[in-house]
Amino acid sequence: DAGVTQSPTHLIKTRGQQVTLRCSPKSGHDTVSWYQQALGQGPQFIFQYYEEEERQRGNFPDRFSGHQFPNYSSELNVNALLLGDSALYLCASSFGTGPGYTFGSGTRLTVV
Amino acid sequence: KQEVTQIPAALSVPEGENLVLNCSFTDSAIYNLQWFRQDPGKGLTSLLLIQSSQREQTSGRLNASLDKSSGRSTLYIAASQPGDSATYLCAAYGRGSGNTGKLIFGQGTTLQVKP
Repeated sequence: DAGVTQSPTHLIKTRGQQVTLRCSPKSGHDTVSWYQQALGQGPQFIFQYYEEEERQRGNFPDRFSGHQFPNYSSELNVNALLLGDSALYLCASSFGTGPGYTFGSGTRLTVV
Repeated sequence: KQEVTQIPAALSVPEGENLVLNCSFTDSAIYNLQWFRQDPGKGLTSLLLIQSSQREQTSGRLNASLDKSSGRSTLYIAASQPGDSATYLCAAYGRGSGNTGKLIFGQGTTLQVKP
């Protein structure tokens, strides 16, 4: 049973560029959440998608946007990258609002 | 606004010791609490989930308890091993306006178990 799959695993981008990260949820899960984890910090909630709509959003600027597809997979897009966007981006899936979340291995984004 | 705090930030113990990691939260109206393990540069592995109606959960050498009234959860690790070395994160899951569907994480406790 495949867990949560994220791609790519690592990414290096230049300031001002745009990036797209991808996530496939665990089989049977229909809800995808995205988190940003800076070095040495706990993950911070970005947003959650359910039925192809953004259901909940954390305190992140509009440069962060997302999408969920009919097969429940999801994308996280970040525009106009800043150095401070360098972090580990984690995707978590669940069935509805839980209980319990399954996390992927993350995408390490470095902005130079 | 829910805030989650984990103390200590780092812990170093000799192999075989029993230990307790602490997690506190400011809003007792949490729904679930989940403990995760994170190895360096990796994603999160779920260890234990304590649901709303439960007070504790056990898995092997791990035991997690939840006391909503005091705003605390503890993760007990028995007979620690070098392979337990990792960062342990607790996350509160709320209900209600602005909280449903998101985990609020502490900053984690980094554990080192020395052989």
